[in-house]
Order: sequence, then structure tokens, then C-alpha cells
Amino acid sequence: AQTVTQSQPEMSVQEAETVTLSCTYDTSESDYYLFWYKQPPSRQMILVIRQEAYKQQNATENRFSVNFQKAAKSFSLKISDSQLGDAAMYFCAFKTGANSKLTFGKGITLSVRP
Amino acid sequence: NAGVTQTPKFRVLKTGQSMTLLCAQDMNHEYMYWYRQDPGMGLRLIHYSVGEGTTAKGEVPDGYNVSRLKKQNFLLGLESAAPSQTSVYFCASSPLRSSNQPQHFGDGTRLSIL
Repeated sequence: AQTVTQSQPEMSVQEAETVTLSCTYDTSESDYYLFWYKQPPSRQMILVIRQEAYKQQNATENRFSVNFQKAAKSFSLKISDSQLGDAAMYFCAFKTGANSKLTFGKGITLSVRP
Repeated sequence: NAGVTQTPKFRVLKTGQSMTLLCAQDMNHEYMYWYRQDPGMGLRLIHYSVGEGTTAKGEVPDGYNVSRLKKQNFLLGLESAAPSQTSVYFCASSPLRSSNQPQHFGDGTRLSIL
């Protein structure tokens, strides 16, 4: 069974600064995919970024990037130039290539200080 | 574009009452899922479906039933609601060949059982 661990329940960042959210996972599969979802107070689940395990290059989407360390089974999210609208709960999620089911971490609440 | 629509958005039930949550998607996706979100627990998979007429158990299926009579609809039923089922319920869908494709989520249903 796969597990996803987000060990930090809360983090805070100053507006315009950079913050890194941690995520580790455990799997014996070689074909898998990793995702970060954002959940603002509106409760919507919004995809932030995705990473294919077979790709060595770290994914980037504007101010969001990941640090994917496959050997360490680590998948952290870096938010640069933090904005007030980045305040939300962030979930790390995992799925294998053979299975469509997502396994989520427990989430981390990010607050942004003006 | 509607995407994934959940009905209702809020509901309060008394213990022992029954109800059905409706999920509808207009993206012609094969896979559909029901999750529950509880504080500090992330999202946990209740049941899922890989196609019309098929359903399978997820991580926390007890106390719930599902049906997928039409490809675009996935129903979640509570036969005898219990306070432990107070939660926010999310429906999601994904296409057939969805290895690196994200799941698309509805806006959630907040359900309170008194």
C-alpha cells in the first residue's frame, strides 16, 4: 500500500517570500505520479502541479515548483513570491500508473502574512 | 463548463435518516470517485467506479453505498446516517487513460449528522 506523509500541519510565510511545503511518500512501484492540490477557503480542490516519476526534471508552473527526490521519496512544493491568495490548505497526492486512485496526505495549512 | 457538479452543497440530517448525494460530470470521464474530508485526515476514498455499472470499495466504505447506473452520474448513499459520517464529501472524475491526468473535483457537500 502507498502512503503519503505531510508532517507539518501548519506553516506561515511573509508575503513576497518563498516557502517550501514538505511531502514524503512510500511505494514499491516504479511507475507513479505525484500531485499537489490547493484547497482555499472556498473548499474547491485546485490542481497546482504534477510530476511524473520517470521524469528527472522538476516540474514548474509559474511561481510553483517542486523538488522531486526520487531516491529519497520526497516531493516538496516551493512557492516563490508568496501572495495573499496562496493562503490555503495544500495536499500532496500520489497514484500509480496502473491505478487511477489517489492517495492523499493529511494536508498542510499555509497562511500568508501581509 | 460545469465539470463536476455535486448536489446538495449542504445538508443536515438526524441520526438514522437516509439520503443520497448526487455527483454529475459532463466530461465523459470513465472513472468517478467519492471521498470524505475530515480535519487532520486529508481526503479518504470511500468508493469508486471504473465505468458504468461497476463500483468498488475504497479505504473507508463502511456505512455507504454507491451506484453508477449512468456514466455521467455517481450516487453516494447513506442508509442510516451516524454522527461519525459528519464530514465534507467530494466527488471527482478522471478520464480512462489517466495516468498523469489529475482528478477533477466537485465543490463538495458539507453534511452534518445530529
